[in-house]
Amino acid sequence: EDQVTQSPEALRLQEGESSSLNCSYTVSGLRGLFWYRQDPGKGPEFLFTLYSAGEEKEKERLKATLTKKESFLHITAPKPEDSATYLCAVQAATSYDKVIFGPGTSLSVIP
Amino acid sequence: DAGVIQSPRHEVTEMGQEVTLRCKPISGHDYLFWYRQTMMRGLELLIYFNNNVPIDDSGMPEDRFSAKMPNASFSTLKIQPSEPRDSAVYFCASNGESGNTIYFGEGSWLTVV
Repeated sequence: EDQVTQSPEALRLQEGESSSLNCSYTVSGLRGLFWYRQDPGKGPEFLFTLYSAGEEKEKERLKATLTKKESFLHITAPKPEDSATYLCAVQAATSYDKVIFGPGTSLSVIP
Repeated sequence: DAGVIQSPRHEVTEMGQEVTLRCKPISGHDYLFWYRQTMMRGLELLIYFNNNVPIDDSGMPEDRFSAKMPNASFSTLKIQPSEPRDSAVYFCASNGESGNTIYFGEGSWLTVV
């Protein structure tokens, strides 16, 4: 069964303190891995799509990487406005185009 | 582009009543997804359509839930009769091609009392 897990469940950082969020997945043929950001009361907002192991994408203080079993979202020198829930999702080639989300990591960046 | 549009944004209803949630996907998108989000279970895929045809409804929790997509620009998710455990945020999302970015609406916040 296709599955996505994320760790940690919650992360509290001081402003400027870099860290990484993990997304581990089990799918039958990965078509794409997605990272989203979700602010309270809002819908998930797209950040990145990764398609193959070794691929990396960057946007401001965020960098996403992908291996055959997991993805990392690296946050460099975070600011309070980076506080949000970060969701990882996968689309499996054999699951009729389903997109399955992980439980998310709630990030708090303290000034 | 207006994005994915959902209505209503908030609904409070009594147990046993019928609830209809509406979605207008991004123009030109062939895929439409309905998700439900709760604290306990996170984001769950309920059903998705491709070219207005339901492809997989295995996530629909019970027969009380039904979804339709009569045309490329409109979909509904109906709960009849509603129960308190249906209280959640329901998201509609769309994308133009498998493997491409999925765009979400702002969600419909449902409370069943």
